Amino acid sequence: DAKTTQPPSMDCAEGRAANLPCNHSTISGNEYVYWYRQIHSQGPQYIIHGLKNNETNEMASLIITEDRKSSTLILPHATLRDTAVYYCIVRAPSGAGSYQLTFGKGTKLSVIP
Amino acid sequence: EAQVTQNPRYLITVTGKKLTVTCSQNMNHEYMSWYRQDPGLGLRQIYYSMNVEVTDKGDVPEGYKVSRKEKRNFPLILESPSPNQTSLYFCASSFYRDRRPNTGELFFGEGSRLTVL
Repeated sequence: DAKTTQPPSMDCAEGRAANLPCNHSTISGNEYVYWYRQIHSQGPQYIIHGLKNNETNEMASLIITEDRKSSTLILPHATLRDTAVYYCIVRAPSGAGSYQLTFGKGTKLSVIP
Repeated sequence: EAQVTQNPRYLITVTGKKLTVTCSQNMNHEYMSWYRQDPGLGLRQIYYSMNVEVTDKGDVPEGYKVSRKEKRNFPLILESPSPNQTSLYFCASSFYRDRRPNTGELFFGEGSRLTVL
């Protein structure tokens, strides 16, 4: 799986959109981009994933650039409960290598009142 | 309720005393994995299992063993724990990615905080 690069920390004002970037310049054509978040020391929680097209669900939106070398997770109206570490990973379709996953250090998002 | 259950949640032990951290999932997932989390190092994969009797090393397998005798269980074994294995451990599971309508998402347990003195 390709490696990802994320800023170590970001701040966002409560009620504003939080835009979390992720660089995955070595991503392969069949690899998906996944986002997870971890609140305090709880188990990470799945947020969203995508391949080429932008995706939206009840939690967030995912914008993937046309060359797929980077993506942005958007939390449209950040709340204090969105304060967490956010992980961006890339993952190939099924196959042994696609399950050797390393989450890295992620981005610590602090939502400020 | 769909969940991944780890036990114990907290454990303090001494160097060399064998211990097992259990992990069980009730979602009929084929894939299971163990991670450790240390300050400043993020989540690192220890071992993973594609299905019963199929396991493989992750990034940091040294000092750990696993077994997958049943689909729902994936215990992590520390034969001779050392202080550098003091960490927060997470178990995770999922279906294979290409099993529709599977999203490929990993479900994580609540974590097991292990301290080795």
